[in-house]
Amino acid sequence: DAGVIQSPRHEVTEMGQEVTLRCKPISGHNSLFWYRQTMMRGLELLIYFNNNVPIDDSGMPEDRFSAKMPNASFSTLKIQPSEPRDSAVYFCASSLVGGQGYNFGNGTRLTVT
Amino acid sequence: QKEVEQNSGPLSVPEGAIASLNCTYSDRGSQSFFWYRQYSGKSPELIMSIYSNGDKEDGRFTAQLNKASQYVSLLIRDSQPSDSATYLCAVSSGGSNYKLTFGKGTLLTVNP
Repeated sequence: DAGVIQSPRHEVTEMGQEVTLRCKPISGHNSLFWYRQTMMRGLELLIYFNNNVPIDDSGMPEDRFSAKMPNASFSTLKIQPSEPRDSAVYFCASSLVGGQGYNFGNGTRLTVT
Repeated sequence: QKEVEQNSGPLSVPEGAIASLNCTYSDRGSQSFFWYRQYSGKSPELIMSIYSNGDKEDGRFTAQLNKASQYVSLLIRDSQPSDSATYLCAVSSGGSNYKLTFGKGTLLTVNP
């Protein structure tokens, strides 16, 4: 079975540019989560979806961040405009609602210069 | 703010020893508890889950849960150099809209 697939693996961009991160969850999983990981703050939940519906976006740091899940097999996290402090590893994870833990994608390492 | 606390380490143990990793959480309503292992530059990988008080064993790993003390631990027996990684504790409040809150992790180093 294919796991959670994220793209791109690495993204380097300049401050002010738009960044779009992509995620394909495991087929059949109906919960999808976006996390950000930094050394200082660890893994922080940004937003999560159940059955394609955003349930909790309280972790989204600012209006510059937005996330969509147009169908069960695809989600995007967009940062516009990007800033150097957005540099982090962004993970997407999926699970069954009420399931036993998450499956994480390989992450996108974002560097904003 | 629901919090999950872990000693950041590093925790250093010799090969063959028992490594003990600890985690406390603030939300008394938490129902599900997980341990993830994360190698440097990789994504977190689920290694143990526990839902009720007591011990749960899986191979060399034992998870322990004490809800009254809001405490979760992970024991790794016969530690191997390949166990060297960061171990993340994660806690869920349960229900149909569950989400995991992660601790910052404990870095474990197993010395040959």
